[in-house]
Amino acid sequence: LAKTTQPISMDSYEGQEVNITCSHNNIATNDYITWYQQFPSQGPRFIIQGYKTKVTNEVASLFIPADRKSSTLSLPRVSLSDTAVYYCLVGDPGFQKLVFGTGTRLLVSP
Amino acid sequence: GAVVSQHPSWVICKSGTSVKIECRSLDFQATTMFWYRQFPKQSLMLMATSNEGSKATYEQGVEKDKFLINHASLTLSTLTVTSAHPEDSSFYICSANQVGRGNTIYFGEGSWLTVV
Repeated sequence: LAKTTQPISMDSYEGQEVNITCSHNNIATNDYITWYQQFPSQGPRFIIQGYKTKVTNEVASLFIPADRKSSTLSLPRVSLSDTAVYYCLVGDPGFQKLVFGTGTRLLVSP
Repeated sequence: GAVVSQHPSWVICKSGTSVKIECRSLDFQATTMFWYRQFPKQSLMLMATSNEGSKATYEQGVEKDKFLINHASLTLSTLTVTSAHPEDSSFYICSANQVGRGNTIYFGEGSWLTVV
């Protein structure tokens, strides 16, 4: 399973765009990249998933360079409610075991 | 959408007793479910893979006789913490994937266990 490295924490203000980068140097050919959000005392919530290039949904964008050794989660115009821990995970879609890294603790201030 | 539910959300038990936590996939079938534990301000640690109709697969360092896992149907997996001790107090989370629906994992709400 590919190991991921993320910043431990990030600070931002309401209305700003936040970009969280994840390194996964030994990602395998079949691995997808998935980001989860976790609030205190709750299970992780799926945010976005991608394989290459760019993926966008209603809450975030995911940028993946050609070598796929890293990925960046982009949260547009964050609000206080986006304060949470964000996890980047890589894995084969048919291989469901997920190993969590440290995650990034995002604090959004007024 | 797919929902995974855990019960109870929180439980307090006395040392030496056993406590069971349930994980249900509410609108899909899951041949495989996963159990994690999470200590405050730490990441999730995978404990075991629960396989429907067969024995669970435990991660290194996780005692299978202490954390009993049963996956008797395609929608239910249970984790029983036997002879609980205060150090077993933690947040336990399960996850499941929809059969035939690709690679999105859905997590339960989590269950807080406090052993006193």
